[in-house]
Amino acid sequence: DIQMTQSPSSLSASVGDRVIITCRASQTITSSLNWYQQRPGKVPRLLIYAASSLQSGVPSRFSGSGSGTDFTLTISSLQPEDFATYYCQQTYRSITFGQGTRLEIK
Amino acid sequence: HVQLVESGGGLVKPGGSLRLSCAASGFSFSDYYMTWIRQAPGKGLEYVAYISSSSTYTDYTDSVKGRFTTFRDNAEKSLFLEMNSLRAEDTAVYYCARMLHLSSWSVDFWGQGTLVTVSS
Repeated sequence: DIQMTQSPSSLSASVGDRVIITCRASQTITSSLNWYQQRPGKVPRLLIYAASSLQSGVPSRFSGSGSGTDFTLTISSLQPEDFATYYCQQTYRSITFGQGTRLEIK
Repeated sequence: HVQLVESGGGLVKPGGSLRLSCAASGFSFSDYYMTWIRQAPGKGLEYVAYISSSSTYTDYTDSVKGRFTTFRDNAEKSLFLEMNSLRAEDTAVYYCARMLHLSSWSVDFWGQGTLVTVSS
């Protein structure tokens, strides 16, 4: 099974900050990596698919990069609505999620 | 618009069974792979299973293999998850979700979820 490890597990930041969340796969997954946002009490929302493609309707302050085993999600300038939990997901072989990164207001 | 509505959740005793349903509307259901994802209270997302558009392929996470079965009825635009030998650790909100393949697979639309509680 492919294991996905996110870091950090939690993060405190301020509105306007640039934030980077990383995700590492236990083996190569080429670019089969997605990022989701889940606000408290809400359903997850697809942000980035295939490592770097922005899902329709997602603000351009979100971006993704990486391939192989190492990936990043960058939020260029945090907005109040961005405080949420973020998950990476691999779909290269079966499906696995990372453990999540909780982004909190500093 | 796309809608996925889960039903069938509830309280069940350890060792018991439950069948979840997911009614789809607003898209061509028979063209899409579908997946079940769960989230235990206060925990992260966990993949459960997926099924191909014509039911040719299914896949399950190791912890549910042999206990859970997913199947679909394309004529009725419905997805199902049959859960047997339920354990306390199966307690979670179960989401039905649509899979999308562009350059790779992703999950682009989620239902609101149905809560399954396994407890004596």
